[in-house]
Amino acid sequence: AQSVTQPDIHITVSEGASLELRCNYSYGATPYLFWYVQSPGQGLQLLLKYFSGDTLVQGIKGFEAEFKRSQSSFNLRKPSVHWSDAAEYFCAVGDHDYKLSFGAGTTVTVRA
Amino acid sequence: DAGVTQSPTHLIKTRGQQVTLRCSPKSGHDTVSWYQQALGQGPQFIFQYYEEEERQRGNFPDRFSGHQFPNYSSELNVNALLLGDSALYLCASSFLGARTEAFFGQGTRLTVV
Repeated sequence: AQSVTQPDIHITVSEGASLELRCNYSYGATPYLFWYVQSPGQGLQLLLKYFSGDTLVQGIKGFEAEFKRSQSSFNLRKPSVHWSDAAEYFCAVGDHDYKLSFGAGTTVTVRA
Repeated sequence: DAGVTQSPTHLIKTRGQQVTLRCSPKSGHDTVSWYQQALGQGPQFIFQYYEEEERQRGNFPDRFSGHQFPNYSSELNVNALLLGDSALYLCASSFLGARTEAFFGQGTRLTVV
């Protein structure tokens, strides 16, 4: 069975500081991995995805993530956070049929 | 391209009632998946429809059923509503067999009172 663990429930970061969100997955084969962002009461917007190839993936809004098979991790990073990055972030693992399993999410608060 | 559209945006139902939620997929997509997101949690997979048939199903009771129409749009039906069914219901569309991401709609917020 596929599953995702996001160890950090809530992270507070200062504007301009770097951000790293952790994600660990469990999946039997080569996973499809995703990071989504959700603003309050809204749907999910895809930040980036990994299917294969280069393990460092670039996404929208200046985000990147690195796939580490040996650690079963897919951590999300941003070098300099903006106030508009405050949101809920979800890591997901999917099979080739797009059945996605999501983590519980990490809430990011940005302080001035 | 309007993307994935869901209706209604919000609705309130009484325990025991039935509800139908609707989803129109992104243009060119043929697969629709439904997710339930309870407050403070990540989305949980309910089921997926392709070629008007249910392909996969998550761990949800039979009170949750769906349908896909020839134009690829989809409905999610929930019978005998419980208070615990209160959640944001998200629809995602994709193109089966293509290595691209699933696109999500804005969701329907269901409140059961």
